[in-house]
Amino acid sequence: QLHLQESGPGLVKPSETLSLTCTVSGGSISTSSHYWAWIRQPPGKGLEWIGSIYYGGSSYYNPSLKSRVTISGDTSENQFSLKLSSVTAADTAVYYCARRDDYGVVFDYWGQGTLVTVSS
Amino acid sequence: QSALTQPPSASGSPGQSVTISCTGTSSDVGGYNYVSWYQQHPGKAPKFMIYEVSKRPSGVPDRFSGSKSGNTASLTVSGLQAEDEADYYCSSYAGSNIVVFGGGTKLTVL
Repeated sequence: QLHLQESGPGLVKPSETLSLTCTVSGGSISTSSHYWAWIRQPPGKGLEWIGSIYYGGSSYYNPSLKSRVTISGDTSENQFSLKLSSVTAADTAVYYCARRDDYGVVFDYWGQGTLVTVSS
Repeated sequence: QSALTQPPSASGSPGQSVTISCTGTSSDVGGYNYVSWYQQHPGKAPKFMIYEVSKRPSGVPDRFSGSKSGNTASLTVSGLQAEDEADYYCSSYAGSNIVVFGGGTKLTVL
């Protein structure tokens, strides 16, 4: 059974860079039929796709966040990471990592989510 | 890419049917048969209920069904049960490996 687990600081100061890691177990991030994604949900609000990385290393980002986002993968650790720069209070959210199936374009496995608060 | 449009709320009594709409554009919902629906209970991660417009993964009751007409997709929950009370989100492929979500609909079972 695939399992995803987010980790990283729960508090980030304004203007700094938010960094999170998703550790995948029960499967490899190197498989060709899946993308690995970050999705966030501000408190009381809806879901927002941040971006995805494919097994070959190609990454794709939400145009509204593209200038501030980097998603990278570490196949040796079976992890992928999110960096979001120049954060503001508007970036406060629960951040989820998820697997996206290539064929159905569906997020079929999710981590439990981690709350990141941007505050001084 | 703008978020897909969903009604903020929907409701129905146990046993009834309710339909939630998800409106996009010809660049997302209307352009691809890659609409998915997710159920989210409070404090939990979303769970996918429908993919490719109308396909159900194993384990999802057949009370949940999906459809699409033009730029609008729909999720219908038949035979409402108390445990169906949750937030529901649609998503669609928007080309160039971009995915867009709807704003979410809170389903209340009266």
